[in-house]
Amino acid sequence: EAGVTQSPTHLIKTRGQQATLRCSPISGHTSVYWYQQALGLGLQFLLWYDEGEERNRGNFPPRFSGRQFPNYSSELNVNALELEDSALYLCASSLEQVLNEQFFGPGTRLTVL
Amino acid sequence: SQKIEQNSEALNIQEGKTATLTCNYTNYSPAYLQWYRQDPGRGPVFLLLIRENEKEKRKERLKVTFDTTLKQSLFHITASQPADSATYLCALERAGTALIFGKGTTLSVSS
Repeated sequence: EAGVTQSPTHLIKTRGQQATLRCSPISGHTSVYWYQQALGLGLQFLLWYDEGEERNRGNFPPRFSGRQFPNYSSELNVNALELEDSALYLCASSLEQVLNEQFFGPGTRLTVL
Repeated sequence: SQKIEQNSEALNIQEGKTATLTCNYTNYSPAYLQWYRQDPGRGPVFLLLIRENEKEKRKERLKVTFDTTLKQSLFHITASQPADSATYLCALERAGTALIFGKGTTLSVSS
């Protein structure tokens, strides 16, 4: 069974640009979560999608947004990039919302110059 | 607001010993708590989930306890091996939202 996949592996952008990160969940999983892991800060919850709808978002500005497609894959968009957005962005999927273990992808390393 | 703390950033032990990691939380009573392992540059991997009505859970050399009175979970690795060296994260659920993760404890097991 294929795990959670994310693309691209690495992404380099300059300040002010926009970044798009993609995630494909495990087949059959309907919930997708996005986390930001910056150096020294641990995993910070960004967004949670389930059945195509945004269920909750963490304490991040509106320039962090995303969506979930009918096939349950998801996209994270970060507009007006700032230097402090540099981090590892992790996507996870689970069966039936939060009450189960989450399966994480390998992450996308975003560097903002 | 809910707060989750893992007692130390780093823990160094010798091979064969038992590693004990601590996770404390405040201002919340989660229905369950999870533990993950994360290797450098990779996504976390689920290890164990323990519910509020369970005092202890075991899986091979791993043991997790959950004390809702103390608001604390202990994670034990018995007979530790160098391959156990990694960062271990605890996470608690917050009803209607997603998991809140601690910053993790980096375990180093020396041979």
